[in-house]
Amino acid sequence: DAGVIQSPRHEVTEMGQEVTLRCKPISGHDYLFWYRQTMMRGLELLIYFNNNVPIDDSGMPEDRFSAKMPNASFSTLKIQPSEPRDSAVYFCASSIAGPRTDTQYFGPGTRLTVL
Amino acid sequence: DAKTTQPTSMDCAEGRAANLPCNHSTISGNEYVYWYRQIHSQGPQYIIHGLKNNETNEMASLIITEDRKSSTLILPHATLRDTAVYYCIVEGLGGGADGLTFGKGTHLIIQP
Repeated sequence: DAGVIQSPRHEVTEMGQEVTLRCKPISGHDYLFWYRQTMMRGLELLIYFNNNVPIDDSGMPEDRFSAKMPNASFSTLKIQPSEPRDSAVYFCASSIAGPRTDTQYFGPGTRLTVL
Repeated sequence: DAKTTQPTSMDCAEGRAANLPCNHSTISGNEYVYWYRQIHSQGPQYIIHGLKNNETNEMASLIITEDRKSSTLILPHATLRDTAVYYCIVEGLGGGADGLTFGKGTHLIIQP
């Protein structure tokens, strides 16, 4: 299994530009999570999906952020317009459904720099 | 409010057992203790989890006190590749199906 795949691995953009981060979860996993990591705030949950449906988006910082999961094998996190304070590493994770779900598998992350 | 308290950093000699403590005095009866680690520039990696019994897998052992207010993650023979930030997380059953709340973690440095 290739694990969780994220692209791009690095993104450098200018303030005001639209940024789209992509994630392919592990095949067969029903849950998909987006996290953001900064030095100041550590790892924070932004949003997660179950069977392609957003369950909890309370961690999304503001309306500039949006996430979609059009099918079971693909999700995007979009920032429009981007700001320098959005610079962070964004992680996608997935897990398999079930009452004893115990493991989230994280991707390698996308390092976003907004100039 | 943080559910767990961990030391900021720890050192351990290579080949020795690394013992990482975690306090979770407000843990409730249906909450599990999960441990993840994050090696520099990588995504977090699941290590182990437990409810009240001690647990062991190929990576580590988890010792939970009888009152469940604290636990210790043990890496039996630490190697340089175990240098990472270790996160102790308290979550309800099905911690993989809910957002994880990461604290600051413990930066474990394995010394050669």
